[in-house]
Amino acid sequence: QKEVEQDPGPLSVPEGAIVSLNCTYSNSAFQYFMWYRQYSRKGPELLMYTYSSGNKEDGRFTAQVDKSSKYISLFIRDSQPSDSATYLCAMSETGTALIFGKGTTLSVSS
Amino acid sequence: GAVVSQHPSWVICKSGTSVKIECRSLDFQATTMFWYRQFPKQSLMLMATSNEGSKATYEQGVEKDKFLINHASLTLSTLTVTSAHPEDSSFYICSATGPTSSYEQYFGPGTRLTVT
Repeated sequence: QKEVEQDPGPLSVPEGAIVSLNCTYSNSAFQYFMWYRQYSRKGPELLMYTYSSGNKEDGRFTAQVDKSSKYISLFIRDSQPSDSATYLCAMSETGTALIFGKGTTLSVSS
Repeated sequence: GAVVSQHPSWVICKSGTSVKIECRSLDFQATTMFWYRQFPKQSLMLMATSNEGSKATYEQGVEKDKFLINHASLTLSTLTVTSAHPEDSSFYICSATGPTSSYEQYFGPGTRLTVT
């Protein structure tokens, strides 16, 4: 079993939809959880960062961490065509050495 | 703020030659930089962690003699792929820990290496 599992999609939604992206993991020692957005042939951009369990909201984005289920989620409200990208979850025990999921490709149509 | 650049963005080299990739933090001092490799439709895989003035720490399975990392200053780290082979063709991305938190990594735009 891989340390971090993420459905690669692709996921296609209409503009304005609520998007739910998820990752599961096996290492219970992970404490730091991040979501990155990556456009084609570009480096990842940090979207959300959460330490331990709980929710965090930033504008249209909400990150949730459920350590008991080893499950993290990213919700995007009122999705826009500009949100079309690949979303990568990443996690770490120490906050430095990141383990990435494969990424979910999202397409938002207008 | 927290901008990381890489140079070159794309490089083609012949098999057996060496190529150097630069990673710079433009507006902050980065005590730690990371080098990743990403194959198409695959995860970013951490290759090594680089601290300024110290030897890099390589992940298991990464050949330190093939992928030479130098972190000469707080704003510059370099990755040299020595004796490159076609299987080294990949997208190489660096990151640096940000100015506000040692846990937040900011990524460069990546360098696409093609070895012919």
